[in-house]
Amino acid sequence: DGGITQSPKYLFRKEGQNVTLSCEQNLNHDAMYWYRQDPGQGLRLIYYSQIVNDFQKGDIAEGYSVSREKKESFPLTVTSAQKNPTAFYLCASSIPRDGQPQHFGDGTRLSIL
Amino acid sequence: GIQVEQSPPDLILQEGANSTLRCNFSDSVNNLQWFHQNPWGQLINLFYIPSGTKQNGRLSATTVATERYSLLYISSSQTTDSGVYFCAVGPTGNQFYFGTGTSLTVIP
Repeated sequence: DGGITQSPKYLFRKEGQNVTLSCEQNLNHDAMYWYRQDPGQGLRLIYYSQIVNDFQKGDIAEGYSVSREKKESFPLTVTSAQKNPTAFYLCASSIPRDGQPQHFGDGTRLSIL
Repeated sequence: GIQVEQSPPDLILQEGANSTLRCNFSDSVNNLQWFHQNPWGQLINLFYIPSGTKQNGRLSATTVATERYSLLYISSSQTTDSGVYFCAVGPTGNQFYFGTGTSLTVIP
């Protein structure tokens, strides 16, 4: 079945450490997205990519980095510059034009040790 | 970006009751989705509805794009309907803005 796979489900980070969250999709979607969700809040866009080797910052990109070397993959790195990284991270994909919904993975919960 | 307001923020229902959730947005949009987030954090796509009305079982949704709002109707609620309902809107097909959600609790 087609879908979006995020790994790991739970991740712990030490202070000053970079960590990378994986997102893979087999839906053949051109566009992929990373969102952050804090407790009791909606989702906020970190980065998005409409095509391989191209990506744009969302509303809260500071302290994060991404790459898009393959259509299927859009990994997110949470750097040590992100001072409050504890959150639930969700990856999504879509066909990037009007009339096409976003589909989401099951998320990764990141916590600071 | 577009501002998205959802109401009510919290809702507690007796099983079998009906409810209406509202989503107001601040600018014209070409994309609108309703999601249900279950207790495990999974986002389930309920409707893609930038305009018009759709129904799926006990759930239906209506979007009046000219007046910048959308409504999600839940009839004969069940305990499995509990969770958070999000509205997400976008001016184009490549960026969505989320509301802060309506937290629904259905008690038996």
